[in-house]
Amino acid sequence: GAVVSQHPSRVICKSGTSVKIECRSLDFQATTMFWYRQFPKQSLMLMATSNEGSKATYEQGVEKDKFLINHASLTLSTLTVTSAHPEDSSFYICSARDPSRYGYTFGSGTRLTVV
Amino acid sequence: DAKTTQPTSMDCAEGRAANLPCNHSTISGNEYVYWYRQIHSQGPQYIIHGLKNNETNEMASLIITEDRKSSTLILPHATLRDTAVYYCIVRVESAGKSTFGDGTTLTVKP
Repeated sequence: GAVVSQHPSRVICKSGTSVKIECRSLDFQATTMFWYRQFPKQSLMLMATSNEGSKATYEQGVEKDKFLINHASLTLSTLTVTSAHPEDSSFYICSARDPSRYGYTFGSGTRLTVV
Repeated sequence: DAKTTQPTSMDCAEGRAANLPCNHSTISGNEYVYWYRQIHSQGPQYIIHGLKNNETNEMASLIITEDRKSSTLILPHATLRDTAVYYCIVRVESAGKSTFGDGTTLTVKP
């Protein structure tokens, strides 16, 4: 079935550094991918829509200069958290749609901890 | 996307049917009802979706009321592994992004 691979699954970084999270569609091409953030005991919040070959679309309140999204190929989108701070610690999840299947497929998520 | 309302939590005995309700009274005619679930510390998983007819697949059944203002997800024989947060989402099929509400935490007990 459709698989979306997310890497790394966990990352700990120091405050002020940048962290890159990869999201790959393994057996299908995705012109659009979505990035969500989830804080403990809360629901998923959409951060941005990643578009292959063009700029990402950010949701209101999400800083595009802080959360850099690159969708350079039909199977890879990356989210870079720049100058990370402890408040950026969260569970980041990507999703994409395999046109041959119903619904959206989500990655397994990346647990980011900024210390 | 239409707003959805779900109970915060539910318990279910193992082997019994789990019936998870969702209200979506402002649903539009071209909006589908989607159900996803999220097991702890994992990404959400698609379960089922429907427009107005009842649907069934290998995971669950979806019952949508005639006026489409509410629906029920049915897990016919719940197992411990079905313990998760279940999200009901309403959106047009062609829409990309999904708006997640708070969901229902289903706990299946032995």
